Amino acid sequence: GQSLEQPSEVTAVEGAIVQINCTYQTSGFYGLSWYQQHDGGAPTFLSYNALDGLEETGRFSSFLSRSDSYGYLLLQELQMKDSASYFCAVRGGAGANNLFFGTGTRLTVIP
Amino acid sequence: GAVVSQHPSWVICKSGTSVKIECRSLDFQATTMFWYRQFPKQSLMLMATSNEGSKATYEQGVEKDKFLINHASLTLSTLTVTSAHPEDSSFYICSARGEETQYFGPGTRLLVL
Repeated sequence: GQSLEQPSEVTAVEGAIVQINCTYQTSGFYGLSWYQQHDGGAPTFLSYNALDGLEETGRFSSFLSRSDSYGYLLLQELQMKDSASYFCAVRGGAGANNLFFGTGTRLTVIP
Repeated sequence: GAVVSQHPSWVICKSGTSVKIECRSLDFQATTMFWYRQFPKQSLMLMATSNEGSKATYEQGVEKDKFLINHASLTLSTLTVTSAHPEDSSFYICSARGEETQYFGPGTRLLVL
């Protein structure tokens, strides 16, 4: 099966940088994705890593190390609106179509 | 970008009744759609994978007779919660796989009294 672990909560100051880690175990691996979810809303796609290394998309970057089964999401120049839950997700299992989510990290940005 | 809609956005029903939730991909065709359930302050749990023209594939622990899934067309999948009970109260989110990524619907909040 799939197992993805994340810190449950992170608090950071506006303007700072925060890193959210994700370790995973999966049978079959087709990439690591990151999603943002505000309270009461649907997840929105942030980033995807299929290969090792860093992917940068604006203020958000994501890193993957397949040998370590580890990745992280890096948020720079934090804004108050970044307060949300962040989920890592792997596409694996019996079919590459299946997306399984991590435990989620609640990010709180404070002034 | 691609859009996925869900209807209704929220529903309150009595225990024992059935509730149908629709998921539509508005500007692309989705041969595969996914249904997730999310309890408060918890992660999204994949319930089942809905395949157009064939039976859905359910994750372990999800009762297929209770959560009926129909993928009638390339743009529509429905989830019916049969004989709903208070413990079925949750946030149900559908998702469809597009060309580049997976798109999520806005979710349906179900409250069973």
